Amino acid sequence: QQQVKQSPQSLIVQKGGISIINCAYENTAFDYFPWYQQFPGKGPALLIAIRPDVSEKKEGRFTISFNKSAKQFSLHIMDSQPGDSATYFCAAGSGATNKLIFGTGTLLAVQP
Amino acid sequence: DSGVTQTPKHLITATGQRVTLRCSPRSGDLSVYWYQQSLDQGLQFLIQYYNGEERAKGNILERFSAQQFPDLHSELNLSSLELGDSALYFCASSPTLAGGRETQYFGPGTRLLVL
Repeated sequence: QQQVKQSPQSLIVQKGGISIINCAYENTAFDYFPWYQQFPGKGPALLIAIRPDVSEKKEGRFTISFNKSAKQFSLHIMDSQPGDSATYFCAAGSGATNKLIFGTGTLLAVQP
Repeated sequence: DSGVTQTPKHLITATGQRVTLRCSPRSGDLSVYWYQQSLDQGLQFLIQYYNGEERAKGNILERFSAQQFPDLHSELNLSSLELGDSALYFCASSPTLAGGRETQYFGPGTRLLVL
């Protein structure tokens, strides 16, 4: 119940295209859903996060879509750029656990 | 730069040995988290300390232990090392106890190679 399932494992997108990464969770107690971006040789860094009281959050080219009934959330990267090439992790957490449960990561490559 | 520092950056050691990884959180952050990142396991939460006390535990082996000192820096001790312990170890910090609901700031990691 503590797992967060992430897909796809890897993704290749052309420059200017849309990158979509999906995550699913089981534990209905989760109420915080962040996405972290990790470049090679660096630690993960928060990209964008959503709480379940909204169905969508947009920050620039990055959008989180959240479906509470399906227990799924996704990251959309519009107009993908080569500089977006990185590993993306979804995560889920709640105040009850004090910790984040991370998905297994998606390696995104944006081809010029 | 997240403001979280980790030392050393790289560590090469032999099986059976013991190592200590060090982390300094962002200024003002009271919680420290340790994660292990390996190719096949992704980012696995190990343990959380808040203001010197252990507050949450994940998939941490008994051979591993951690502590947080009065100045809030933390150390992760790995003993009786095995080949499978080779991984990236990240430290993260956050302002409060509620690591499941707030941004965690990650350090650059320590890459451990056990030969």
